[in-house]
Amino acid sequence: TQLLEQSPQFLSIQEGENLTVYCNSSSVFSSLQWYRQEPGEGPVLLVTVVTGGEVKKLKRLTFQFGDARKDSSLHITAAQPGDTGLYLCAGVKNGNQFYFGTGTSLTVIP
Amino acid sequence: EAGVAQSPRYKIIEKRQSVAFWCNPISGHATLYWYQQILGQGPKLLIQFQNNGVVDDSQLPKDRFSAERLKGVDSTLKIQPAKLEDSAVYLCASSLNSPYNEQFFGPGTRLTVL
Repeated sequence: TQLLEQSPQFLSIQEGENLTVYCNSSSVFSSLQWYRQEPGEGPVLLVTVVTGGEVKKLKRLTFQFGDARKDSSLHITAAQPGDTGLYLCAGVKNGNQFYFGTGTSLTVIP
Repeated sequence: EAGVAQSPRYKIIEKRQSVAFWCNPISGHATLYWYQQILGQGPKLLIQFQNNGVVDDSQLPKDRFSAERLKGVDSTLKIQPAKLEDSAVYLCASSLNSPYNEQFFGPGTRLTVL
C-alpha cells in the first residue's frame, strides 16, 4: 500500500485546457515534491513545497501544499503537448525518506 | 555534472534465472535508493542506503532480492531467482544529505521476465 493516493490516475485532454491533479494522504509530511517522468527516463523534480498552505508557481504550473501538510495539488493552465507525462507526488519524512504517490498519467492531445 | 548511471538499460530473462543491475550515483551523494516501478505507477522503494549502511529495506523481498553498496559509492541490486511479477523498471536515485532533498534518478533498467 502506498501512503499517497493520486487522482485521477489517467487524464487525456485537449491542448489549451486546464487540469488539476490531486495527491492525498492521511500522513503528515515535512515537505512534498512533484516529479514528472517521461517514457524511458527517470522522474525529474519539478518543485518542493515545505510550508502548510504554500503555493508555488512554475510558469503554467501551480502547486499547493495543504494546510495540514497531508495533501497537495498540481494545476496546469493551458496544457500543451509537452506537458504529457507521468506526474508523481512524493511526501518526504525525516529529510531523506520519500513516499511516492500512485501516479497520474497525463496525455495532452494537439 | 554527470548524472546517475545505470546498466543495463534493458534485460530479458527466463523465470528462475538470476539478474543483476548496477548503479553509479552522482559523486558526493551519500544516499542511494533502489525503486521498483510497474508501468504507469509510482515507484516503490526497495532499499535505501546511507553511505554503505542500509537505512530502510522493509519492502525488499529478501528471499530473492539482495543489494549492496560497497565503499559507499556504486551499488548492485540482484534478483535470484526471478519471478514473472518481477517484470518492471528498476530505478536508482541518489541525493545529498540536506533538508528538502532532491532525488536525482537514473534512466532505469527495464526487466522482462518470461
